Amino acid sequence: AQTVTQSQPEMSVQEAETVTLSCTYDTSESDYYLFWYKQPPSRQMILVIRQEAYKQQNATENRFSVNFQKAAKSFSLKISDSQLGDAAMYFCAYCTSGTYKYIFGTGTRLKVLA
Amino acid sequence: GAGVSQSPSNKVTEKGKDVELRCDPISGHTALYWYRQSLGQGLEFLIYFQGNSAPDKSGLPSDRFSAERTGGSVSTLTIQRTQQEDSAVYLCASSLTSENEQFFGPGTRLTVL
Repeated sequence: AQTVTQSQPEMSVQEAETVTLSCTYDTSESDYYLFWYKQPPSRQMILVIRQEAYKQQNATENRFSVNFQKAAKSFSLKISDSQLGDAAMYFCAYCTSGTYKYIFGTGTRLKVLA
Repeated sequence: GAGVSQSPSNKVTEKGKDVELRCDPISGHTALYWYRQSLGQGLEFLIYFQGNSAPDKSGLPSDRFSAERTGGSVSTLTIQRTQQEDSAVYLCASSLTSENEQFFGPGTRLTVL
């Protein structure tokens, strides 16, 4: 069975600084997707970034980028130039290609300090 | 177009009562999912709908939980004889097909006293 582990329950970052959130996963599949979702206090889960396992290039979306290490089964999220609006719970998720079931980690609460 | 909507936003009920939670997916999305998010936990998969059928109910925690989807659109999650451990945020998501990105609603926070 697939698992997703987020070992940092809470992280803090100074505004305008860079922070990295960790995620590791376990799977025997070779083709899958990985996601980072943001959940602000409004509870609405918002997709931040998505990575296809077959792609070697790390995904980037503006200030958000990932470090995808397939052999190590690691998928960390880097947030550059942190903003107050980045404060939220961040969830890492896994989905085997061709299936629908997302496996979520337990989340990391990110605090942004002014 | 409009995103996924859920109602009510918050629900407080007494132990033993039945509750119904509603999800309106994005128009045209054939796949619909229910998740439960307990305090300090990630999202726990409950059930998946493709159209009106539910090929995967494996995540429903007990027979007190049931769900239906009508007209390939609105879905209702029903919890009978609620227990305090049912207190959680219930999130609904929909996707164009089962292999596309899931879009989430804002959730219903259920509190069982």
